[in-house]
Amino acid sequence: SAVISQKPSRDICQRGTSLTIQCQVDSQVTMMFWYRQQPGQSLTLIATANQGSEATYESGFVIDKFPISRPNLTFSTLTVSNMSPEDSSIYLCSVAEGRYNSPLHFGNGTRLTVT
Amino acid sequence: EDKVVQSPLSLVVHEGDTVTLNCSYEVTNFRSLLWYKQEKKAPTFLFMLTSSGIEKKSGRLSSILDKKELFSILNITATQTGDSAVYLCAIGGADGLTFGKGTHLIIQP
Repeated sequence: SAVISQKPSRDICQRGTSLTIQCQVDSQVTMMFWYRQQPGQSLTLIATANQGSEATYESGFVIDKFPISRPNLTFSTLTVSNMSPEDSSIYLCSVAEGRYNSPLHFGNGTRLTVT
Repeated sequence: EDKVVQSPLSLVVHEGDTVTLNCSYEVTNFRSLLWYKQEKKAPTFLFMLTSSGIEKKSGRLSSILDKKELFSILNITATQTGDSAVYLCAIGGADGLTFGKGTHLIIQP
């Protein structure tokens, strides 16, 4: 399966600032996704990162808060904007290999703490 | 809306014990059921199940799906301290992939 590198691994940020998380895959993948996992909760899909076009956001998530870039088939970024303590979470990049019904594989995650 | 319920939420056992983790679901247009192991941050893929009654096995871990009763179990035999993790179940359906809250498994030496 693809090797997914995500950085930073963790960060502590002040409220009102923004953080950009990077996700690099060692091979071209069709589907890239960004998930959030709040403390004690299940993984929640934020958006699907589309190559060459705007990301597709899930209900409850908006582009102004979570802008996403996907300039090519191996790289994506997620920005958490104007952060508040409620944004403290693990953020995960994931990819699917493109075959129908193929499983998701996850990056190593970014643990974000907003103070 | 697709739904995944895992039980128990947490479980503490001794090394060498056998554990069974449960995942029940409601889904529109079932595609697959997946199990992941999450240590620290990154979930690691374990199994993908699409057919009822066919056991998938990897070492001491095995899993089976019952599409009639809408559940799956993950078995771990001869548990080791390295099995301590959160085990996530996810269902693939019309809503995409929906995750349960996980079972937090602690193996005591």
